[in-house]
Order: sequence, then C-alpha cells, then structure tokens
Amino acid sequence: EVQLLESGGGLVQPGGSLRLSCEASGFTFSSHAMSWLRQTPGKGLEWVSGISGSATITEYTDSVQGRFTVSRDNSKNTLYLQMNSLRAEDTALYYCAKDAWGLPAYYFDYWGQGTLDTVSS
Amino acid sequence: DIQMTQSPSSLSAAVGDRVTITCRASQSITNFLNWYQQRPGKAPKLLIYGASSLQSGVPSKFSGSGSGTDFTLTISSLQPEDFATYYCQQSYSKPYSFGQGTKLEIK
Repeated sequence: EVQLLESGGGLVQPGGSLRLSCEASGFTFSSHAMSWLRQTPGKGLEWVSGISGSATITEYTDSVQGRFTVSRDNSKNTLYLQMNSLRAEDTALYYCAKDAWGLPAYYFDYWGQGTLDTVSS
Repeated sequence: DIQMTQSPSSLSAAVGDRVTITCRASQSITNFLNWYQQRPGKAPKLLIYGASSLQSGVPSKFSGSGSGTDFTLTISSLQPEDFATYYCQQSYSKPYSFGQGTKLEIK
C-alpha cells in the first residue's frame, strides 16, 4: 500500500524558513518523480515543485523559484522541501504527491495527508 | 500559464441523480486532463487521468470525456459518499494548474 507521510509544518514568521519532509513507502521511491502541492481557501490547489526520480531535474512554480528547494534522499525514501524567505502568501496546507506517467497522461496518483504551514508575525 | 475554469462552482443534487461537471482550459491541452475528488479534511484522490481513463479502484460510475479545451466529468447514481469537491487539473505544461473546484452538495 502506497503511503506518503508529510511532516515539518508549523508557525513561522515572515522571512523565516521551514523544511518539510515526506516519507514514502509501498513503492519503489527512486523510480518515481515526486511533487509538492499546496492548498489555500483563496487560491485553491497549486502545484509548487517537482523532482525527478534521480533528482537530476527540479522544477518550481514562479512564485517560489529562488526561495524553495526540492530535494530527495532515495536511500531514506524521503522527499524534502526547504522553504526560505517565507511570505504570508505561502501559508497553506502542503501536500506531497507521487507522480505517475501513462501515455498520454501525467498525473498525481497518491497524495499525503498534508502538513500545515502558517507564516505570520 | 494555462488557466482552468470549472462550472458550476457548486451543484446541488439528490441521491441517485446523475451529474456532469465541466472544465475548460485556456488553450488546448490535448488529453492531459485529470479529475480529483476531495472530501472534507482529506487529500485529493485521483479519479480520472488522461481525460477518460479510470484510475484503478475507482467505481465505473465516474467517467470523463473531452479533448482539446473542453472536458466533462460525469457521476452517475449519486451516493452519499460522492458529495465532495471535484477538481480538474491540466498536466500539459508546467506550472500544472487546477480548476477552482466544484462543490457537490446533497439536495
């Protein structure tokens, strides 16, 4: 059974940092790209970042480029999101998700339960 | 960036009804369209990928169609557990984007 368990969220002041983790099990972690997504009542669901299985390719949405860094440790089956220079608009429920590819489709087939990140003074 | 627009934003229906939700992309996304269900307090769950392929384990009461810019999700014979929020998502180009959601409520 695929399981994704996020951790690391919390309350942080503007300009601060947080590191989210996502521990994966139930599949061959290194064989799959992974993504971080976030959800807010105002902006809805938003794709934040993605990383290839070998970590050679990383991508970001424009609003977090240069502030967030996605990484993974395939020996620990764990995905990370280092978030720096946090802003109030980064406040959200953050999900990690397993990417899946099946022509002609690309999708997120499993999601974690989410971890809440609140940026406030 | 590709904008995704769902309609309606909310929908009221009765148990046993058949409903259709529409999703429109701001440009052609061929078949790179996915549908998710989100129940309150839970993570989104994949229902349909590639516009019309049913995810493993998802009941056949859910079906998707469309290509290009216009897509639909149809749910037949509504049951209490189907009342949730539904999202479309394009995976044609990054940044991947979602519709604003359609909240399906019990009449």
